[in-house]
Amino acid sequence: EIVLTQSPGTLSLSPGERATLSCRASQSVGSSYLAWYQQKSGQAPRLLIYGASSRATGIPDRFSGSGSGTDFTLTIRRLEPEDSAVYYCQQYGRSPETFGQGTKVEIK
Amino acid sequence: QLQLQESGPGLVKPSETLSLTCSVSGGSISSSSYYWGWIRQPPGKGLEWIGSIYYTGSTYYNPSLKSRVTISVDTSKNQFSLKLTSVTAADTAVYHCARSGYYVRYFDYWGQGTLVTVSS
Repeated sequence: EIVLTQSPGTLSLSPGERATLSCRASQSVGSSYLAWYQQKSGQAPRLLIYGASSRATGIPDRFSGSGSGTDFTLTIRRLEPEDSAVYYCQQYGRSPETFGQGTKVEIK
Repeated sequence: QLQLQESGPGLVKPSETLSLTCSVSGGSISSSSYYWGWIRQPPGKGLEWIGSIYYTGSTYYNPSLKSRVTISVDTSKNQFSLKLTSVTAADTAVYHCARSGYYVRYFDYWGQGTLVTVSS
């Protein structure tokens, strides 16, 4: 199976700053078959990005995704307090679908 | 607005079978465009995809759980279900149901999740 490794484990930033989250795959996930999710405490994950760079419905343009092959990035510009959450990447290029272990974003 | 809601026992004894149902509202489970899946999350840990089903009953499972998992669908009730046999404490988790595309299998709608604890 494809193993996804996310870094850093925790990111602590101030409002207005930029967050850069990394997701590295153990092998190519194919034609950018990578998604990002946001999970706030006690809630279900929410789809942010699919196809590596396409924003899901209703997601503000402060969130952007990039990358291909094995290296992917989620960027959150102009951090807001409500962005405090754990962010997961998921590959769906090859079954079984797998998730990264998550990056926690803390807003100071 | 599509909604998914998990239901089932919150406590299961070791070696027994975990059974959960996901009720779908605001849309038809019989759509040709989607798979319906189960994902679990142990307390304080990450997400693990368990398996998915198409409305015709076609399934595919995570190989790590395949020997213990059965997912079924009831289109008349707009529901799909999960059975996990021979559970242990390692199966304690929040279990989410979710929808994915038929060809592109990211999960765009999720249920809130239900905590299942395996304990005697």
